Amino acid sequence: EADIYQTPRYLVIGTGKKITLECSQTMGHDKMYWYQQDPGMELHLIHYSYGVNSTEKGDLSSESTVSRIRTEHFPLTLESARPSHTSQYLCASRSDEAYKYNEQFFGPGTRLTVL
Amino acid sequence: ELKVEQNPLFLSMQEGKNYTIYCNYSTTSDRLYWYRQDPGKSLESLFVLLSNGAVKQEGRLMASLDTKARLSTLHITAAVHDLSATYFCAVDIDDKIIFGKGTRLHILP
Repeated sequence: EADIYQTPRYLVIGTGKKITLECSQTMGHDKMYWYQQDPGMELHLIHYSYGVNSTEKGDLSSESTVSRIRTEHFPLTLESARPSHTSQYLCASRSDEAYKYNEQFFGPGTRLTVL
Repeated sequence: ELKVEQNPLFLSMQEGKNYTIYCNYSTTSDRLYWYRQDPGKSLESLFVLLSNGAVKQEGRLMASLDTKARLSTLHITAAVHDLSATYFCAVDIDDKIIFGKGTRLHILP
């Protein structure tokens, strides 16, 4: 079973609040990802990281920001939440070892509702 | 721009029948993934396919990869109700993993 954790699992918050979604993994994976998914819909890559101090924007434009100060930790921050940010946010990680299957493991997700 | 296209997007089928989900992608890729997602849940990894001609099987599910055609298939044999879920394929391009829209599979008892 994958050791990747997300907190909180559910969050209901008012417009304009600053929030941070936490993601941690204990597998020592270099690569980490954030996806946004509306219920029953496709996943959109919003941020990814190759390792410490590396962050990249994904294909979906997002008002969120990320940081990667430690290998195991990849938090996502929204400076001012809006109703359009209501969605499920999924964090994932995978190894960077050559000649491996490099399976991507997903956390349980954070379901965010902005009122 | 990388595009990952799945079809069908919705599939309702009877128990005991066979069916195939298709995943086409537009750019050469190192890896192709198949995932399962149950409603309200996160994603569960099913298969990772690395090379042309790769075939993997787990229970009633079998995945294959044709890198020349940029096509992967997920074949369901003798479907059972427990396989009802949404199935996603995803393609790895330079460490960006891009997903298809998913196939919502509903198996009627």
